[in-house]
Amino acid sequence: QSVLTQPPSASGTPGQRVTISCSGSNSNIGSNTVNWYQQLPGTAPKLLIYSNNQRPSGVPDRFSGSKSGTSASLAISGLQSEDEADYYCAAWDDSLNGWMFGGGTKLTVL
Amino acid sequence: EVQLVESGGGLVRPGGSLRLSCAASEFTFSSYNMNWVRQAPGKGLEWVSSITSSSSYIYYSDSVKGRFTISRDNAKNSLHLQMNSLRAEDTAVYYCARGGVGPTRENTFDIWGQGTMVTVSS
Repeated sequence: QSVLTQPPSASGTPGQRVTISCSGSNSNIGSNTVNWYQQLPGTAPKLLIYSNNQRPSGVPDRFSGSKSGTSASLAISGLQSEDEADYYCAAWDDSLNGWMFGGGTKLTVL
Repeated sequence: EVQLVESGGGLVRPGGSLRLSCAASEFTFSSYNMNWVRQAPGKGLEWVSSITSSSSYIYYSDSVKGRFTISRDNAKNSLHLQMNSLRAEDTAVYYCARGGVGPTRENTFDIWGQGTMVTVSS
């Protein structure tokens, strides 16, 4: 069972906006920044959002992140078929002294 | 091109050992913290271990503490994971991932290797 809780699945139609939540606690999201990773089928994960809401170079501005208290969210607007992937949140946990990943959310584009 | 390439995976019996390596290229390896992350078949990502740039600080997940040892050779731009007392539940693809240049807790995993598969089975 993951320390960070994500919904196992999410879906949307092309062009829609979807959000994926990530719930933690004071020792992880409440104290540290959140990163999001995208894993396309059969590939290695890729950094999507860092420091709660920053996009690495090359990541479309359709992807955005936010954090409030002990929860974070990833929003994808203008959904595209190529966005179909697994999405993971991650944060450092001060109590466990290590990185925590969410269980992952499988996004399906209908 | 900034790149990480893992090697050393394979089939090993329960209780056995394996040493993974990760070769880094096209960035100043000695400046970056480094990490191992694994993914069991059909499952999510699980952080395994982190090491700071000068090996001053090392962290392990509870699931591998006492069995796995992370190390690095900055002269050879390489990261290693020595895995002992392997169990069936260690079966996974193991990724090395580049961290950052600051405190580990503020890092991102911005570059990932392609992964190497470790299978623990009799």
